[in-house]
Amino acid sequence: QKEVEQNSGPLSVPEGAIASLNCTYSDRGSQSFFWYRQYSGKSPELIMFIYSNGDKEDGRFTAQLNKASQYVSLLIRDSQPSDSATYLCAAQRGDMRFGAGTRLTVKP
Amino acid sequence: DAGVTQSPTHLIKTRGQQVTLRCSPKSGHDTVSWYQQALGQGPQFIFQYYEEEERQRGNFPDRFSGHQFPNYSSELNVNALLLGDSALYLCASSLRGRDQPQHFGDGTRLSIL
Repeated sequence: QKEVEQNSGPLSVPEGAIASLNCTYSDRGSQSFFWYRQYSGKSPELIMFIYSNGDKEDGRFTAQLNKASQYVSLLIRDSQPSDSATYLCAAQRGDMRFGAGTRLTVKP
Repeated sequence: DAGVTQSPTHLIKTRGQQVTLRCSPKSGHDTVSWYQQALGQGPQFIFQYYEEEERQRGNFPDRFSGHQFPNYSSELNVNALLLGDSALYLCASSLRGRDQPQHFGDGTRLSIL
């Protein structure tokens, strides 16, 4: 079992729709959770981080954390073609463990 | 505000050679972490440095070593290169402290022939 698991996708949504990206983690000791966006051939870019159960909103992005279910999600509202990228979920307990990423395509 | 900078951008080596990659952290950051990212995979943690010492290490052999300098910049050294070492090597910096967000540099693409 991988420590951080994500659906590899691709996930395709129409422009303006809500994209929902999901992630589960196996280490219950993980304290902090991060979402990174990675465009093809580029390095990961930090989008959101969340430490506590519940929702955290930043602009069009909402991160959700449920530690009891060991589940993290990222919602992207009003998706734009520029949101097309691979989204990496990471869980941190000391060192940071990444999932393999979910590829998102937003179609105009 | 200077972000994380890495050099070189690309590097081609042959099996058995040694390589050194360099990283300067984002202004104000004192902690540097190194990751290896194979094609189609998420980054894999190699190690983390702060106060010039290796503080944590992932599941990488001793061929991978590092160093942090007093100005917080860092080097990653890989000896006896193998074909499987071909990957994107990413440096990330953060503030010292538990679970601080990490910011990545553009990476060094290492190809082993």
